[in-house]
Amino acid sequence: GNSVTQMEGPVTLSEEAFLTINCTYTATGYPSLFWYVQYPGEGLQLLLKATKADDKGSNKGFEATYRKETTSFHLEKGSVQVSDSAVYFCALSDRGRGSTLGRLYFGRGTQLTVWP
Amino acid sequence: NAGVTQTPKFQVLKTGQSMTLQCAQDMNHNSMYWYRQDPGMGLRLIYYSASEGTTDKGEVPNGYNVSRLNKREFSLRLESAAPSQTSVYFCASRTGRLFFGSGTQLSVL
Repeated sequence: GNSVTQMEGPVTLSEEAFLTINCTYTATGYPSLFWYVQYPGEGLQLLLKATKADDKGSNKGFEATYRKETTSFHLEKGSVQVSDSAVYFCALSDRGRGSTLGRLYFGRGTQLTVWP
Repeated sequence: NAGVTQTPKFQVLKTGQSMTLQCAQDMNHNSMYWYRQDPGMGLRLIYYSASEGTTDKGEVPNGYNVSRLNKREFSLRLESAAPSQTSVYFCASRTGRLFFGSGTQLSVL
């Protein structure tokens, strides 16, 4: 079956530090991969995505590369800011049946706290 | 730009009470979803609707029912609330990417 495993938190960093949050997946077929971010008291927002192997998704200084050979989609940022403090979720989407969209499978989330 | 609208934002129920969580989207999306979010568990899919007129069970459907009233609206019903259903509930719709509502914080005493 489909599943996503991401590193457990919490992750605590100082401002301008390098961030990596690991994510690996198990899937049949060729899923799309996503990172979502949830700020306190809000719903999840799409941060970035990649739809095929070797694609790199990027947004707001965050990057993740779809690695089919290692079934991974690690999130990275070169220099984090206090405003990046949030919970980050890795997710995959299967292809669904016919013209319908598939389901999304989420990891458990990683809490990131950035101190000034 | 309303996006996905959920009501209510907060609700407290007693064990055994029933209630319906409402969700509406104005983006003309076919697919809609209900998730619950619990500490350390991430998001778990309760039910989803791939298109108007269809609904399917997700990972944790027990104790819930859904209705896809029309293309815009997808409601979640708790017939007899239990303390284990205390959670934050999110509705979402998608076309490629998911758009989430702001959530309903439900406490069952």
